[in-house]
Amino acid sequence: DGGITQSPKYLFRKEGQNVTLSCEQNLNHDAMYWYRQDPGQGLRLIYYSQIVNDFQKGDIAEGYSVSREKKESFPLTVTSAQKNPTAFYLCASSADRPNNEQFFGPGTRLTVL
Amino acid sequence: DAKTTQPNSMESNEEEPVHLPCNHSTISGTDYIHWYRQLPSQGPEYVIHGLTSNVNNRMASLAIAEDRKSSTLILHRATLRDAAVYYCIGKAAGNKLTFGGGTRVLVKP
Repeated sequence: DGGITQSPKYLFRKEGQNVTLSCEQNLNHDAMYWYRQDPGQGLRLIYYSQIVNDFQKGDIAEGYSVSREKKESFPLTVTSAQKNPTAFYLCASSADRPNNEQFFGPGTRLTVL
Repeated sequence: DAKTTQPNSMESNEEEPVHLPCNHSTISGTDYIHWYRQLPSQGPEYVIHGLTSNVNNRMASLAIAEDRKSSTLILHRATLRDAAVYYCIGKAAGNKLTFGGGTRVLVKP
């Protein structure tokens, strides 16, 4: 089955620790994205990548970092510089054509204690 | 991306149609209108998109006003599985999506 996987589904960390969220896709998509969602709110774009070894900041990139070494993988690191990291994190991918639909993973719920 | 305005919530009875409005008065001539929906504790899923003409697919229909300042997503027969938050997005060519608050749809049995 083709799709996007995110792991783990739930993640707990202590304040001040960096944490890396995994996102893998086997859809052969060029573009990948990370979003953050807070309770009752819409999604906000953190980072996106349109091709391997290249990525751009989204609307709320501060305190986060990404890498795109392989087409299939786009891990997100939540650093200790992120002031309020507790949130639901969603990864998505799309074929790199205008107006192509984005396919989303199941999300990782991060709680920082 | 064009700014969109949607009602916070709507209720419907099961098996009845649901009409979800979206205002996008600042939309440009090349911005597409996209709809996604998000079930509780899941990632969003694509529903439909269009530019000028009305569009239909297996999930829904999209009716776009002639002046393109508004559109309506139509779920023809709501089921309990259609209870979700529906997001309307006015999207310029390219891959970035800008999500607003969406409309929470409640389907009553």
